[in-house]
Amino acid sequence: AQSVTQLGSHVSVSEGALVLLRCNYSSSVPPYLFWYVQYPNQGLQLLLKYTTGATLVKGINGFEAEFKKSETSFHLTKPSAHMSDAAEYFCALETWGTASKLTFGTGTRLQVTL
Amino acid sequence: KAGVTQTPRYLIKTRGQQVTLSCSPISGHRSVSWYQQTPGQGLQFLFEYFSETQRNKGNFPGRFSGRQFSNSRSEMNVSTLELGDSALYLCASSLVWGYSNQPQHFGDGTRLSIL
Repeated sequence: AQSVTQLGSHVSVSEGALVLLRCNYSSSVPPYLFWYVQYPNQGLQLLLKYTTGATLVKGINGFEAEFKKSETSFHLTKPSAHMSDAAEYFCALETWGTASKLTFGTGTRLQVTL
Repeated sequence: KAGVTQTPRYLIKTRGQQVTLSCSPISGHRSVSWYQQTPGQGLQFLFEYFSETQRNKGNFPGRFSGRQFSNSRSEMNVSTLELGDSALYLCASSLVWGYSNQPQHFGDGTRLSIL
């Protein structure tokens, strides 16, 4: 069975600092990987996705993630944090054959301080 | 282009009652999935519908059911509500079923509180 592990339920960074949110996955078949962001009282917004091809994926709001098969990782980064980035971030996995069923990590709450 | 619309946004029910939640997908999207989000269990897949047929089901009791109409709108129903059913219920739509390069787009959810 596939699974997603997000290391660190809470991450705090200063405004302007690097953001690094960690995601590791387990899957017996090549996965498709996603990062979603959730702001308070809202649903999930897709930040970026990896399906096939280039392993460095760029998303919205300056975020990017790199798929590393050898490390089974898909960490999310942003060079410079902004106050508006404070939210909860979810890494999710989908495998061919599970047809739109996303398996989510437990989420990482990002706090951005002045 | 309008996003995924979920109604109502908030619901308060008592134990033993039943509830129906509604989801209108993005225009042209034919696949609708439902997820339950709770602080303890996180985001869990409930079920998915495509072409009015349930294609996939998560590990939830039979009290949780759903359906999809010919216009792709979907409803989920929870009968005999329990305190543990208090959660944010999220609906997501995608263009078609089974193609992962078409991501799911989520609504803002229905927050269900059971008293």
